[in-house]
Amino acid sequence: GAVVSQHPSRVICKSGTSVKIECRSLDFQATTMFWYRQFPKKSLMLMATSNEGSKATYEQGVEKDKFLINHASLTLSTLTVTSAHPEDSSFYICSAVRTNLWGEQYFGPGTRLTVT
Amino acid sequence: RKEVEQDPGPFNVPEGATVAFNCTYSNSASQSFFWYRQDCRKEPKLLMSVYSSGNEDGRFTAQLNRASQYISLLIRDSKLSDSATYLCVVSDLSGGYNKLIFGAGTRLAVHP
Repeated sequence: GAVVSQHPSRVICKSGTSVKIECRSLDFQATTMFWYRQFPKKSLMLMATSNEGSKATYEQGVEKDKFLINHASLTLSTLTVTSAHPEDSSFYICSAVRTNLWGEQYFGPGTRLTVT
Repeated sequence: RKEVEQDPGPFNVPEGATVAFNCTYSNSASQSFFWYRQDCRKEPKLLMSVYSSGNEDGRFTAQLNRASQYISLLIRDSKLSDSATYLCVVSDLSGGYNKLIFGAGTRLAVHP
């Protein structure tokens, strides 16, 4: 089956620093990847759609200058949380679509970010 | 109103019990529906897609009522390993891509 990895799985950082999270599709090419955030006991919320070779599409209410997305290749998308604050502490999950924009999304294992 | 609503639970049931989860969605134009399972501190995993005719996969049966905008999941003969959070998911194609809208999940705890 399709495998998506994320790195790191867990990160603790100080307030004001930036953190980069990587999402890789290991055995398939993904033109489109999605970034989600999940707070405890809440829904997964789509943050942005990452498109290879073009700018990401952000959902309403998500600051594009704070959550920088780069999709430099067909197997890698990165999310950088800039100037992190404690309220950014959350579970960040990426997903990748295997074939086309209407295909099943395969989720990465998630990254737990704690900002102190 | 939330786009996808679920009873948060928890549902505490003994092994062997039958349990049903319900979900409602607000966008009548939604085309695809899914149930995902999420274990604690893990990513969601697709359990099954939901079709208008209803579909069954082993102990799991999913049904869709488009007129009522209602989706259900029935689990028969519950196992301890079924303990997880079950997410009702609806796809939204209005943006030109398959955007998934997640419910907050219903927690199931199966006990011996």
